[in-house]
Amino acid sequence: QQQVKQSPQSLIVQKGGISIINCAYENTAFDYFPWYQQFPGKGPALLIAIRPDVSEKKEGRFTISFNKSAKQFSLHIMDSQPGDSATYFCAASDSINGGATNKLIFGTGTLLAVQP
Amino acid sequence: DVKVTQSSRYLVKRTGEKVFLECVQDMDHENMFWYRQDPGLGLRLIYFSYDVKMKEKGDIPEGYSVSREKKERFSLILESASTNQTSMYLCASNSYPNEQFFGPGTRLTVL
Repeated sequence: QQQVKQSPQSLIVQKGGISIINCAYENTAFDYFPWYQQFPGKGPALLIAIRPDVSEKKEGRFTISFNKSAKQFSLHIMDSQPGDSATYFCAASDSINGGATNKLIFGTGTLLAVQP
Repeated sequence: DVKVTQSSRYLVKRTGEKVFLECVQDMDHENMFWYRQDPGLGLRLIYFSYDVKMKEKGDIPEGYSVSREKKERFSLILESASTNQTSMYLCASNSYPNEQFFGPGTRLTVL
């Protein structure tokens, strides 16, 4: 019940296309859903995050869509660029039962390649 | 600029050796984390610490221990390294309820 399932494992998109990565969870106590972006040789960095009181959050070309009833959330990258090529991780945490650390449960990652 | 640094980018050790991985953060964060990253498995939490000298097991603590003697420093210890501990190790820190900041990682190879 603590898992976050992420798909696809890898994704190839043409420049200018839309990249979509999906995540699903079981634990209804999760209340914070961030996406992290990791470039080769670097640690992951926070890209965008959402809390379940909203169904969508947009920052530039990046949008999180959140479906509370289906227990799913997704990352959409509009107008994908070669510079977006990276590994993307979804994550979730439970601020009540997770204690004062914001401990995250990560998905397995998606390797995105945007072809020029 | 916030910063999490890890003592080594690459490390090669022999089976049975004791291995120390060091992590330092300069953000005065209370919480620090150690993850391992393996292809297809994502990031898995090994141990975390919410205060000096305090630690809690994560999802895969077996074969590892940690030490936090100072607020800014969190060490991961492999008491007797094994080949199945070959992996990328990532350290992170945060101040609840904010985002976790990650270091660049240490790629450990155990021969």
